[in-house]
Amino acid sequence: GAGVSQSPRYKVAKRGQDVALRCDPISGHVSLFWYQQALGQGPEFLTYFQNEAQLDKSGLPSDRFFAERPEGSVSTLKIQRTQQEDSAVYLCASSLEPPAGLADLTDTQYFGPGTRLTVL
Amino acid sequence: DAKTTQPPSMDCAEGRAANLPCNHSTISGNEYVYWYRQIHSQGPQYIIHGLKNNETNEMASLIITEDRKSSTLILPHATLRDTAVYYCIVRVVRSNYQLIWGAGTKLIIKP
Repeated sequence: GAGVSQSPRYKVAKRGQDVALRCDPISGHVSLFWYQQALGQGPEFLTYFQNEAQLDKSGLPSDRFFAERPEGSVSTLKIQRTQQEDSAVYLCASSLEPPAGLADLTDTQYFGPGTRLTVL
Repeated sequence: DAKTTQPPSMDCAEGRAANLPCNHSTISGNEYVYWYRQIHSQGPQYIIHGLKNNETNEMASLIITEDRKSSTLILPHATLRDTAVYYCIVRVVRSNYQLIWGAGTKLIIKP
């Protein structure tokens, strides 16, 4: 079946431009996560949605980063006034159910291919 | 605040078993160990997870020590397509049961 998709796959922005990155989760998945992955590093958590509610945005690095999921499906990560340090791969993941203490496959996170953002 | 330690790289011959170690000495009693892998230019792919018992699925086996301070991921018959970065992750008990990622192990399968 269709997995998590992200667009664009690659984005080049000039410093100071605004960018919008899109994530289409697996159909019916309640939970959606955004991660940032710097070159040679593991992903770092940015934010978490349960349906349309943004329950955790503790990982967003600054107020230039904004995420939304207005209808509980597609999500957009927006970065305003991009800086060179924003250059990274942005990963989206979704899971069928909300995270819970008893970890089973229903709350396993499935990832998209990522969007590679390069800020010049 | 990565909670796992892995060797930065490993080699394995094609067709042999690949054994990837991970230390998680500060793991708490209700925190799970997850393994993902990331093939070049792709998103991470879920492999397996466990709490304290050994686990096996169609992709791999996970062996967790009795004290839960370390684990080993076993790919029984490695192929060239298994070349990837393998991440051992602890799922911490926060409001969103966050996955805390380290730098991973670059596994290279050689013909």
